[in-house]
Amino acid sequence: GENVEQHPSTLSVQEGDSAVIKCTYSDSASNYFPWYKQELGKRPQLIIDIRSNVGEKKDQRIAVTLNKTAKHFSLHITETQPEDSAVYFCAASKSGSQGNLIFGKGTKLSVKP
Amino acid sequence: DTGVSQDPRHKITKRGQNVTFRCDPISEHNRLYWYRQTLGQGPEFLTYFQNEAQLEKSRLLSDRFSAERPKGSFSTLEIQRTEQGDSAMYLCASSSPDTGLEQYFGPGTRLTVT
Repeated sequence: GENVEQHPSTLSVQEGDSAVIKCTYSDSASNYFPWYKQELGKRPQLIIDIRSNVGEKKDQRIAVTLNKTAKHFSLHITETQPEDSAVYFCAASKSGSQGNLIFGKGTKLSVKP
Repeated sequence: DTGVSQDPRHKITKRGQNVTFRCDPISEHNRLYWYRQTLGQGPEFLTYFQNEAQLEKSRLLSDRFSAERPKGSFSTLEIQRTEQGDSAMYLCASSSPDTGLEQYFGPGTRLTVT
């Protein structure tokens, strides 16, 4: 079946450094790729998303890139801050579905001050 | 608070009991989704409504699970004859007809089956 693989599972960076999280999807018909941030005990929060007709999208310190040919997409966080520490999930839409998102297993990001 | 709300936030029940959770989506969001999240995993899709119609169900949704959205507003998820493996966070999300694919999550209901 369709799946989304996410790497790394944990990532530790120094404050001010960049962080990159990568995901690979299997369903070539997927056309929507959101990223969620989940702090401990909180709801997943949509932070950025990209559609298959776009290669890159940026929102302040956060950017997402999409390579449809290779079926992978990445989250880039620049100038990391301690408040960026959280678990980040990537997801891909399931083809033929209006709402079924397939999530990766998450990346626990720790930003050390 | 105009975000997605869920009730209760926590539920402890004994194996074999039935439980029901409620989700209130963001006002005017016509799509509503249920997910399940276990520790260390991403959310797993369970089912999806557009207005009152249940349009998609995951294989994860066994016969013991049933979801409704009778008036196209709030939704309920019922689990009958709970099992220990049902222990998880049950998340609800909604999206609007304008943005479609952007899903906004509620705080979840944490179910513990003893």
